[in-house]
Formats: sequence, structure tokens, C-alpha cells
Amino acid sequence: ELKVEQNPLFLSMQEGKNYTIYCNYSTTSDRLYWYRQDPGKSLESLFVLLSNGAVKQEGRLMASLDTKARLSTLHITAAVHDLSATYFCADFTGNQFYFGTGTSLTVIP
Amino acid sequence: EAGVVQSPRYKIIEKKQPVAFWCNPISGHNTLYWYRQNLGQGPELLIRYENEEAVDDSQLPKDRFSAERLKGVDSTLKIQPAELGDSAVYLCASQYTSGIEQYFGPGTRLTVT
Repeated sequence: ELKVEQNPLFLSMQEGKNYTIYCNYSTTSDRLYWYRQDPGKSLESLFVLLSNGAVKQEGRLMASLDTKARLSTLHITAAVHDLSATYFCADFTGNQFYFGTGTSLTVIP
Repeated sequence: EAGVVQSPRYKIIEKKQPVAFWCNPISGHNTLYWYRQNLGQGPELLIRYENEEAVDDSQLPKDRFSAERLKGVDSTLKIQPAELGDSAVYLCASQYTSGIEQYFGPGTRLTVT
């Protein structure tokens, strides 16, 4: 059974702090994606990770992929309120996207 | 370039009633997905089209759900009859078949009472 597990499910952090969201997947993934979803909105693509050791950064967010451990991480540096949202990872395998349950991030001023 | 368009954005119906959702993908995108997103969960695939062909409908509850993509462009997803458990957001996404990014529409929030 294909599984994509994220943790934590809920994260409350203070502005200026660092934290990491973890995404474990069960398949030999072709690609790993990270998305952001604001309340009542659709999903916005953040990163696509295509190979082992891939690292991508955009602003205060950095994503990495370890295919041997079947693990991807989304690291948040010096969080700001605007990063409050739900973050999903998705494993692309067999021409299909399998989404994690999401991590709801709240950044407190 | 226009994004993925979905309508309606919100729909409230009574159980046992039919409902239909419409999706217009980004121009030129051959692949179209319909997802269901329950509250507090990630999207789950219902059906995937390549042009007008449904290539993966294994997770579509076929007793009450149907979908079509005539001419390989717009798509409709229908539920008949709706049940209380169908309350969710229905998302449409599209991509180039050879592309690596899928683009999501704003979704239709369905409430079944």
C-alpha cells in the first residue's frame, strides 16, 4: 500500500524560529513535490525534487530529498507570519500523485 | 495565461440530489485530474484523463460518480445521488503529459445536507 506520512500534523512556532517538516513515503518515488495551501484556497506548487540529494530553496523555505531513506524535508528558516498555511508533500509514482495528510503551520508573532 | 477554471465554487445540496462540477484546464494540457479533498486531509485522486481517455479511474466510486472529458478539453464530474459523506472540496488539476508540474484549480466546495 502506498503511503505518504507527514509529521508533525500541526505546528505552532514563533516568528524568527527554525523548524523542519518531515515527509516519509513508501515507494521508490519518481519525484517528490511540496505544495502550500492557504485556508479556502487551492494548492500552490513550491518545489519539485527529482533525484536523490536534491535540494531546492526559495526564500525562507528549503526542501531536500533522500531517496535511500525515502524521506523529504521542508525546512523553515526564521519563520514569519506569512508562512502560516498547510503544507503538503506528494509522491509521484506510476503517473499518479499521492499526497500526505498535510502539516498545518501557524506562525505566532 | 489563464489558470484552471472550475465552477461552481460552492454548492449546497440535499442528500440524494444530483450535482455536477465543471473544469476547464489550462490550454494545451493533455492530462486532467479530479481529486477529492476531505477536511484536514490531502487530495485523493478520483480519476485521471489523458486527452479524452480515462486512464485511471480505479478510485472513482462508480456506483454514484461519473466523469467525462469530451473532446479532450473540458471535463465534468457528476455525483448522483449525493450522500452526506460526499461533502468535500473537489479539485481539478491539469498538466502537459510530458510536464512535471500539475496546476490546480480553485476547487468546488460541496456541502451535502
